[in-house]
Amino acid sequence: DSGVTQTPKHLITATGQRVTLRCSPRSGDLSVYWYQQSLDQGLQFLIQYYNGEERAKGNILERFSAQQFPDLHSELNLSSLELGDSALYFCASSVEGFNYGYTFGSGTRLTVV
Amino acid sequence: AQTVTQSQPEMSVQEAETVTLSCTYDTSENNYYLFWYKQPPSRQMILVIRQEAYKQQNATENRFSVNFQKAAKSFSLKISDSQLGDTAMYFCAFMKVTSYDKVIFGPGTSLSVIP
Repeated sequence: DSGVTQTPKHLITATGQRVTLRCSPRSGDLSVYWYQQSLDQGLQFLIQYYNGEERAKGNILERFSAQQFPDLHSELNLSSLELGDSALYFCASSVEGFNYGYTFGSGTRLTVV
Repeated sequence: AQTVTQSQPEMSVQEAETVTLSCTYDTSENNYYLFWYKQPPSRQMILVIRQEAYKQQNATENRFSVNFQKAAKSFSLKISDSQLGDTAMYFCAFMKVTSYDKVIFGPGTSLSVIP
C-alpha cells in the first residue's frame, strides 16, 4: 500500500456520461497530481493542486475538471465522456519542497462504452 | 519544453543477467531531477531510483544503478542480477528543481525477464 488511495479501481460507463474519480493523498502530502495513461499517449499530466489551490495545468480537456478539498483529498470530474477517454487515471502525491518523486495510487481504470 | 525519450519500446533479459535501459532528455535547465519508475502488471507505479543533476555520482539502489551523463543528457538504468519480478514497464522521468513543477515521463520500455 503506497498510502495514496484511489477509488474506484474500475469504472465502466457509457458515452456522454459524467464520472468522478477520487484520490486521498499520502498523509502529510499537500500536493496532488492527476495523470492519464492511455496506450497511445503514455502518461500525460493533467493537473496539479497544492493545499487546495490549482498549481499547474497540463493537457486537460475542458470537459475535465478537478478540485482539492480542505481535507486534501482530490476529485477529478470527467463529463460528456467519449470512447477516447478510456484510460488509466493515476493520482500521485508529494511532500512540497522535497523532490523525492511522486507516490502513486493504484489508478482508476475507466472504460467508456 | 522538456522532453524525455526512451528509444527501446521492448527489451528482454535472461534471469540473473544484466540489462541496461536507455533514456535521453532535452532541457535547457541546469538543475533538475531524473527518475526511473517501474510499472509491473499490477499497474502500480513504483519509484525505482532518483538522481539529482548537480550530483556527479551515479545513484544506486541495490541491484539498480544509473549512468548519468549530464552533457549528453543521458540517463540509463542498469538492472543487475535480473529477477522475474523485474518484469515491468519502466518509465524514465524528468522534473525541474522548482518543487511546484510536474514530472514529465518518457514513453516507457517494456522489460521481460525470461526464466
